[in-house]
Amino acid sequence: GDSVTQTEGLVTLTEGLPVMLNCTYQSTYSPFLFWYVQHLNEAPKLLLKSFTDNKRPEHQGFHATLHKSSSSFHLQKSSAQLSDSALYYCAFNSGGSNAKLTFGKGTKLSVKS
Amino acid sequence: EAAVTQSPRSKVAVTGGKVTLSCHQTNNHDYMYWYRQDTGHGLRLIHYSYVADSTEKGDIPDGYKASRPSQENFSLILELASLSQTAVYFCASGQGANERLFFGHGTKLSVL
Repeated sequence: GDSVTQTEGLVTLTEGLPVMLNCTYQSTYSPFLFWYVQHLNEAPKLLLKSFTDNKRPEHQGFHATLHKSSSSFHLQKSSAQLSDSALYYCAFNSGGSNAKLTFGKGTKLSVKS
Repeated sequence: EAAVTQSPRSKVAVTGGKVTLSCHQTNNHDYMYWYRQDTGHGLRLIHYSYVADSTEKGDIPDGYKASRPSQENFSLILELASLSQTAVYFCASGQGANERLFFGHGTKLSVL
């Protein structure tokens, strides 16, 4: 069935190194993919959303590309900052008339100096 | 910035008791969602609604009911609270499932 998968529960990086958080999906239709970020004791908020025209969304130095051939929407950043430490969720709507938005299990990113 | 307000912010309930979590949005959004957050499980969808007076089951609806009496209000009801329902509950609203969701600050529920 339709689903979204984040394989890493915890990613620990040194400040300045590149970030890549994995997200793959299974979808019947043309899906919409999102990345949400949740800082400690805050609500989740939108970081990025996939575009239907394959443009690459970018925000706060993060970007992600929807690859339909590999069913992936990995989150990337060229240089991690201490303030990037947070919980990151990949979220998925399978498209069509479906009103559900399903979240992955989340990846905790910990950036150390 | 869109506003979603949840009440209460935290609650302690007894096993077998009834719990109602409330959510109010002032964004004129049609879609509203209830998620629970648990370490290791992420955000899991309990119930959602895309029009007033109608609700849909999400991925983990067992033990929960939902009510959408108006476009602005969406409640989550635990008729017989259980220990396993201890979690943080988030309400969210949006223009559609393929649009940005705005989340409330969450309700921390402890069932003892």
